[in-house]
Amino acid sequence: DGGITQSPKYLFRKEGQNVTLSCEQNLNHDAMYWYRQDPGQGLRLIYYSQIVNDFQKGDIAEGYSVSREKKESFPLTVTSAQKNPTAFYLCASTLGGTGELFFGEGSRLTVL
Amino acid sequence: AQSVTQLDSHVSVSEGTPVLLRCNYSSSYSPSLFWYVQHPNKGLQLLLKYTSAATLVKGINGFEAEFKKSETSFHLTKPSAHMSDAAEYFCVVSLLNDYKLSFGAGTTVTVRA
Repeated sequence: DGGITQSPKYLFRKEGQNVTLSCEQNLNHDAMYWYRQDPGQGLRLIYYSQIVNDFQKGDIAEGYSVSREKKESFPLTVTSAQKNPTAFYLCASTLGGTGELFFGEGSRLTVL
Repeated sequence: AQSVTQLDSHVSVSEGTPVLLRCNYSSSYSPSLFWYVQHPNKGLQLLLKYTSAATLVKGINGFEAEFKKSETSFHLTKPSAHMSDAAEYFCVVSLLNDYKLSFGAGTTVTVRA
């Protein structure tokens, strides 16, 4: 079955460490997204990518980095510069500009 | 630019009674509108979408929504709530070929037995 796979589902990190969240899709979708979700705040866009080797900052890109070397993959690195990284991170994809997003199951990052 | 306002942060209903989740949007152009559902610690799942066809849209699990351009609204309803409907619901607006979607803040639905 086609879908989006995020890993790991749970991740613990010490302050000052970088951590990379994986997102892989086999839907042949062009666009991929990373969102951050905090309790009571809905979803906020971190980065998105419309095509391979290209990506744009979202509303809260500071302290995060991404790459898009393959159509199927869009990893997110949470760097030590992100001051409050504890959150639920969601990856999504869409076929072109249709607006219908397909989501992964999420990764919960906790900074100790 | 577009934006979305979900008018209720929390809705509590009894099982078997109707559910109404309210969403207003603003958009300079004809938007596409979506409702998503999220169960705890899960990703979001599409409930239904409006893309300029019929104004009354039917979705999964008995949900439906009506697009009212004059009121700039896209309210979500279900005639009879089930315990499994307890979740968070997001209204989303998108413009054609605009890759940045706008999410509402979400409405948490509680269903009482």
